[in-house]
Amino acid sequence: ETGVTQTPRHLVMGMTNKKSLKCEQHLGHNAMYWYKQSAKKPLELMFVYNFKEQTENNSVPSRFSPECPNSSHLFLHLHTLQPEDSALYLCASSQTRGASLGELFFGEGSRLTVL
Amino acid sequence: KQEVTQIPAALSVPEGENLVLNCSFTDSAIYNLQWFRQDPGKGLTSLLLIQSSQREQTSGRLNASLDKSSGRSTLYIAASQPGDSATYLCAVNDYKLSFGAGTTVTVRA
Repeated sequence: ETGVTQTPRHLVMGMTNKKSLKCEQHLGHNAMYWYKQSAKKPLELMFVYNFKEQTENNSVPSRFSPECPNSSHLFLHLHTLQPEDSALYLCASSQTRGASLGELFFGEGSRLTVL
Repeated sequence: KQEVTQIPAALSVPEGENLVLNCSFTDSAIYNLQWFRQDPGKGLTSLLLIQSSQREQTSGRLNASLDKSSGRSTLYIAASQPGDSATYLCAVNDYKLSFGAGTTVTVRA
């Protein structure tokens, strides 16, 4: 496996379900990100982790709960979501962040539909 | 707050024509700028990363220019092919990364 891998690729859940999205990077990067992409809107940064520590939370509702057990894995736990949370959720990684941010590598995304 | 704009939102050209995609940003105090390509329902693929000290960056048929003082970057794709059909996004790094909404390109065979 190379690059950034996201599972599942597609997920349908009811508003009362609990599910998780998984991201794994095989690039030896130190920073990992969750982005939300809704139709016709720019990418929205949700969370940033650097060396397993959360460094940014962009006012994301608590029904989204991230977890980063190590520098290679990132999870997004989902519970009691709303239909407006339906979107493509993208994971990304980079070697560095901030001023020295280099190339950002994205996974294929997890398409989430909330019924 | 950095605002990134990409105009037009969509573009359709015949095969072989050169593509010119525009990206403008409001705060010129940036470290670098990246251009990405996104195919429908897929993730983003980095095309070019241009540092604030650079005027342009080239990779194959792709060339990105950066005019930091005027808050503009342009992505040129030479001799377009149907396989170039995708959405192209620019992202500006001023310590945080801000994305534009993208330009969706269709290259007609």
